Amino acid sequence: QVQLQESGPGLVKPSQTLSLTCTVSGGSISSGGYYWSWIRQHPGKGLEWIGYIYYSGSTYYNPSLKSRVTISVDTSKNQFSLKLSSVTAADTAVYYCARENYGSGKAYFDYWGQGTLVTVSS
Amino acid sequence: DIQMTQSPSSLSASVGDRVTITCQASQDISNYLNWYQQKPGKAPKLLIYDASNLETGVPSRFSGSGSGTDFTFTISSLQPEDIATYYCQQYDNLPRGFGPGTKVDIK
Repeated sequence: QVQLQESGPGLVKPSQTLSLTCTVSGGSISSGGYYWSWIRQHPGKGLEWIGYIYYSGSTYYNPSLKSRVTISVDTSKNQFSLKLSSVTAADTAVYYCARENYGSGKAYFDYWGQGTLVTVSS
Repeated sequence: DIQMTQSPSSLSASVGDRVTITCQASQDISNYLNWYQQKPGKAPKLLIYDASNLETGVPSRFSGSGSGTDFTFTISSLQPEDIATYYCQQYDNLPRGFGPGTKVDIK
């Protein structure tokens, strides 16, 4: 059974960089057929897709956040990471990592981490 | 970007009722649509993929239909454990996009 677990600081100061890591267990991040994604949810709001990375390192970011986002992968540790720079209170949200399973015309988020709340405040 | 809308934004129904949620895409997305259930404090859970395919292990009272720009999600007989917010999500294009959600309550 694949499991994803987010880790990182729960409190970040304005203008600093938010850094989170997602550790994948029960399966290899280097397996083809999956994109490894970050998704966030502002308190009481809907879901916003941040971007994804393939195990090879290729990425795609949501244009709304592209200038501030970096997603990287460490296949040796079976982890992928999110960095969001120059944060403001508007970046306060629950951040989820998720696996997007794609192939044969399908693509869906089939495994999610439990989510981690990141608060931006001084 | 493809914009997703859902209606209603919330609904209240009785146990055993048939519940229907609609999702509309701003452009043709064929059948590239998924449905998720999110319970309070939990991560979303995939229910339906490809607009109408039931994910393994999901009860058959959940179903989806539609293609192009208009989609429907149905719970044939609402159960107390179905209290949740339901989201549609398109994967026709990048960036991936979710609908704003429909909160389902028991009357």
